[in-house]
Amino acid sequence: DQQVKQNSPSLSVQEGRISILNCDYTNSMFDYFLWYKKYPAEGPTFLISISSIKDKNEDGRFTVFLNKSAKHLSLHIVPSQPGDSAVYFCAASAGYNYGQNFVFGPGTRLSVLP
Amino acid sequence: GAVVSQHPSRVICKSGTSVKIECRSLDFQATTMFWYRQFPKQSLMLMATSNEGSKATYEQGVEKDKFLINHASLTLSTLTVTSAHPEDSSFYICSARDSSRGAFYEQYFGPGTRLTVT
Repeated sequence: DQQVKQNSPSLSVQEGRISILNCDYTNSMFDYFLWYKKYPAEGPTFLISISSIKDKNEDGRFTVFLNKSAKHLSLHIVPSQPGDSAVYFCAASAGYNYGQNFVFGPGTRLSVLP
Repeated sequence: GAVVSQHPSRVICKSGTSVKIECRSLDFQATTMFWYRQFPKQSLMLMATSNEGSKATYEQGVEKDKFLINHASLTLSTLTVTSAHPEDSSFYICSARDSSRGAFYEQYFGPGTRLTVT
């Protein structure tokens, strides 16, 4: 039973346009969410995070939106650049009392076309 | 930013042998380190949580006698795959949490180790 879902295995976007990556979760105890970017044969790199007390967090070209009632979050990248092409993982955590572990989604492969 | 290294980056071993993978936090102390396994085109699966000076906590379904984890210092955790079999071939990634940060937020990931068992 996947607690964190990324229903789009891949996404292609034209350079300069907006990329929207979606993530859904089922565990209502999750209260912290993160997005990681991963290139082949490398470890994931932290991108941006959001706690459940917020509904939006912005960092440069990256914005994460959280809709707690829908148990849905999304990562917006604007404008998209070819260097953004990678696999993006959504991760969720249920907080200190639950071991602080992250549960990762299956990932979405983003391709930004020049 | 915080840097985590892994060694080796790639290893090929024969079936039945043991392989040790090191994970080091280079510029911060990590009370807690995590070991993940990634299968092709799949997500990261947490194998175990490694706490400095204590026994690792393994996730359900992970054989603790097969995947030995040692976290002997605040900057080093090791994963030893014992009596490796071809099905153990995978991409193993470690991550570390900066102990100086009060919150439990980001984990800093190593570059991963590609293990191939022949």
